[in-house]
Amino acid sequence: ETGVTQSPTHLIKTRGQQVTLRCSSQSGHNTVSWYQQALGQGPQFIFQYYREEENGRGNFPPRFSGLQFPNYSSELNVNALELDDSALYLCASSLFEDTQYFGPGTRLTVL
Amino acid sequence: KQEVTQIPAALSVPEGENLVLNCSFTDSAIYNLQWFRQDPGKGLTSLLLIQSSQREQTSGRLNASLDKSSGRSTLYIAASQPGDSATYLCAVRNDYKLSFGAGTTVTVRA
Repeated sequence: ETGVTQSPTHLIKTRGQQVTLRCSSQSGHNTVSWYQQALGQGPQFIFQYYREEENGRGNFPPRFSGLQFPNYSSELNVNALELDDSALYLCASSLFEDTQYFGPGTRLTVL
Repeated sequence: KQEVTQIPAALSVPEGENLVLNCSFTDSAIYNLQWFRQDPGKGLTSLLLIQSSQREQTSGRLNASLDKSSGRSTLYIAASQPGDSATYLCAVRNDYKLSFGAGTTVTVRA
């Protein structure tokens, strides 16, 4: 059974740029959730995708958007990057409302 | 809105001492509560998951209790080891999302 994987591991961008982060779900899972973890804080829920549809969204602006593909992998897109977007981005997969399993994260630095 | 608080923010103990980590939450209408471990710069490793109908879960040296009515959970780690040094996060599930505390950073001194 393959676990949750994320790419890239690290990323450096400048303010105003756009970024795409990727997540591959654990085998058999149909739901992906994305979280943002700033330094020294707990993860904050961004949104969740279930069967290619957004199933719920946290308190993040529209420049944070996502996609889920037919194979249940997912992308997180962030437009017009700001310095405060620097964080660890975590993806979690699950079988709908069952236990969420987390990937290793992508460290985004915005300069 | 669910608020999750973890106290203390940091803890330093000598090897062999038992650890007690606390988590409180404001909305008791939860599906479950989960404890995670996070090493510096890494992702989350699930330690224990307690369903809302359960009072506790145990795995090896770890024991977690849940008092849903009072909005509290406690993670006990017996006979701590230097390898237990990490940040421990508590998360509660309402509907589809997890709400996390800020974590307790544990240092176990050899």
